[in-house]
Amino acid sequence: QQQVKQSPQSLIVQKGGISIINCAYENTAFDYFPWYQQFPGKGPALLIAIRPDVSEKKEGRFTISFNKSAKQFSLHIMDSQPGDSATYFCAASGPSGGYQKVTFGIGTKLQVIP
Amino acid sequence: DAGVIQSPRHEVTEMGQEVTLRCKPISGHNSLFWYRQTMMRGLELLIYFNNNVPIDDSGMPEDRFSAKMPNASFSTLKIQPSEPRDSAVYFCASSLGLGGRSTDTQYFGPGTRLTVL
Repeated sequence: QQQVKQSPQSLIVQKGGISIINCAYENTAFDYFPWYQQFPGKGPALLIAIRPDVSEKKEGRFTISFNKSAKQFSLHIMDSQPGDSATYFCAASGPSGGYQKVTFGIGTKLQVIP
Repeated sequence: DAGVIQSPRHEVTEMGQEVTLRCKPISGHNSLFWYRQTMMRGLELLIYFNNNVPIDDSGMPEDRFSAKMPNASFSTLKIQPSEPRDSAVYFCASSLGLGGRSTDTQYFGPGTRLTVL
């Protein structure tokens, strides 16, 4: 049972283009939505995160858009660069069994071609 | 800070053998997580420790898997006996674990790639 649905699973974008990764969730108890970036041979690392009371958060070329009513959020990478080639995980954090549990999406493998 | 340290980085073993994966969390972090990553299922939480106590082990696949955290600076994940379907990358992550804040960032180790033949 996948509580956070992520698409697409793979994405190829030309250098300078916009990369868009979408996620959807069902559990309205989720109260924090981080995105993690993973390079080959490395562990995931926090990239950017948003709270549900904010509709958009921007850090450099990375922007999260959040639609609370639709229970959807997305990551936009502007001016995509080959160095952005990595796997991106959306995630949702919320109370579960007495602690804050993070549930990850399946991941999107992004390839930015020159 | 050295970050989360995992060993070994790669492990190749034969079906039926015991496998032990090791993790050293970031000093001062109170929460430790073990995850399994596969292409089909992504990142799955196996077990969560807080202050060395297992809080949620609902993700442990079956009795062949066990995890311990004898002190704040060391944890192990053991698979006995191992099976080919256990082949995956296993990650350990730690976080400050202050009062269960949802904004607690998890810091991942480099992972252990396990291959069971």
